[in-house]
Amino acid sequence: GESVGLHLPTLSVQEGDNSIINCAYSNSASDYFIWYKQESGKGPQFIIDIRSNMDKRQGQRVTVLLNKTVKHLSLQIAATQPGDSAVYFCAEKTSGTYKYIFGTGTRLKVLA
Amino acid sequence: NAGVTQTPKFRILKIGQSMTLQCAQDMNHNYMYWYRQDPGMGLKLIYYSVGAGITDKGEVPNGYNVSRSTTEDFPLRLELAAPSQTSVYFCASSYGTGQGGAKNIQYFGAGTRLSVL
Repeated sequence: GESVGLHLPTLSVQEGDNSIINCAYSNSASDYFIWYKQESGKGPQFIIDIRSNMDKRQGQRVTVLLNKTVKHLSLQIAATQPGDSAVYFCAEKTSGTYKYIFGTGTRLKVLA
Repeated sequence: NAGVTQTPKFRILKIGQSMTLQCAQDMNHNYMYWYRQDPGMGLKLIYYSVGAGITDKGEVPNGYNVSRSTTEDFPLRLELAAPSQTSVYFCASSYGTGQGGAKNIQYFGAGTRLSVL
């Protein structure tokens, strides 16, 4: 797991600041989207999801925004903490199936 | 509360060897998936299953086989290991209604790190 993500785009954020991680998805017919967090050596962990009939959804310290016009998804993390350091993936689900396409991922580094 | 369990955690194979990656879930999920994750890449779907006895190919099925004889287990078989199969393999499961339009959160195992030398 430690070798995964060597060449990923990296976002460095000061502790306590807000983080915004972006994702461009490929299929205009995708009907459901998920953000996953992957810590080193572990499997992806669900953070938040959104259906295609919504443009915003909030969770605890996290917000997902969906812009279907430009096929763009973002994850906002409020008051970023050291424990948020991880690789974040977006995944889109093809309408009519349960098959997902995953983005490449973004590494979030939280600076103390 | 085991969730999705994958074994082994690590394995080194020689070219041409075969092996089976095990995956078991205890959440009574009907859908199960196998992904591979290469460095700097997202997860690529190898195979998936919508229920016992039913499997289908994903994006990168070549060199792999699967079976789903029970709801709980979804093993992934590598018949003739090649260096290109060096990767981290993740199994996932989810509950689906069959309509394809419902919310469908996938739960992942911790992964199997495979090196083929």
